Amino acid sequence: EPEVTQTPSHQVTQMGQEVILRCVPISNHLYFYWYRQILGQKVEFLVSFYNNEISEKSEIFDDQFSVERPDGSNFTLKIRSTKLEDSAMYFCASSDLMKTGMKQETQYFGPGTRLLVL
Amino acid sequence: DAKTTQPNSMESNEEEPVHLPCNHSTISGTDYIHWYRQLPSQGPEYVIHGLTSNVNNRMASLAIAEDRKSSTLILHRATLRDAAVYYCILRVNYGGSQGNLIFGKGTKLSVKP
Repeated sequence: EPEVTQTPSHQVTQMGQEVILRCVPISNHLYFYWYRQILGQKVEFLVSFYNNEISEKSEIFDDQFSVERPDGSNFTLKIRSTKLEDSAMYFCASSDLMKTGMKQETQYFGPGTRLLVL
Repeated sequence: DAKTTQPNSMESNEEEPVHLPCNHSTISGTDYIHWYRQLPSQGPEYVIHGLTSNVNNRMASLAIAEDRKSSTLILHRATLRDAAVYYCILRVNYGGSQGNLIFGKGTKLSVKP
């Protein structure tokens, strides 16, 4: 069964450093998402991406964050200057086209990248 | 997306049915009810969704109240692998861009052998 993959599984970085988290969505999917989950807290939406542009973003997704689909398979999340509070599990998700114009598609999540900022 | 209310935790015995409730009294006529779950140290995983009628799939059943103000996710025979946090999420049904999922705290299900 196709699955979303993420690399690395764990990343440790120093505060102020840039990190890039990588995701390979399911191959025929066109919608991509990043979510994060701070330890012990809820899963929070960061950003969605379609047709090479951001379609929605949350308040968390400020100027320190950016997303890119550099080629036909990867989807990346960049944090320009990491802060301690960016420590979290970051999940990538992808979904297929909407069916019959209804927003009821299934989102498929990757296993996550655990980011620790020291 | 409208708000949902779920118990913080539930316990079940292995191989017994589990009924996970969700209240969504402010649901609108166009909201679908989705369930996802998150196994320990994994990403969320789709379970099932429905609008008005009860739904069944290989993972679970979804029973939706006639007034749609509540729903119940039913695991027919819980296994140890079903221990997870279960999230009930309402999603507005309208055209346009794909939408993000809004996760609450969910119900943490423990399954005892």
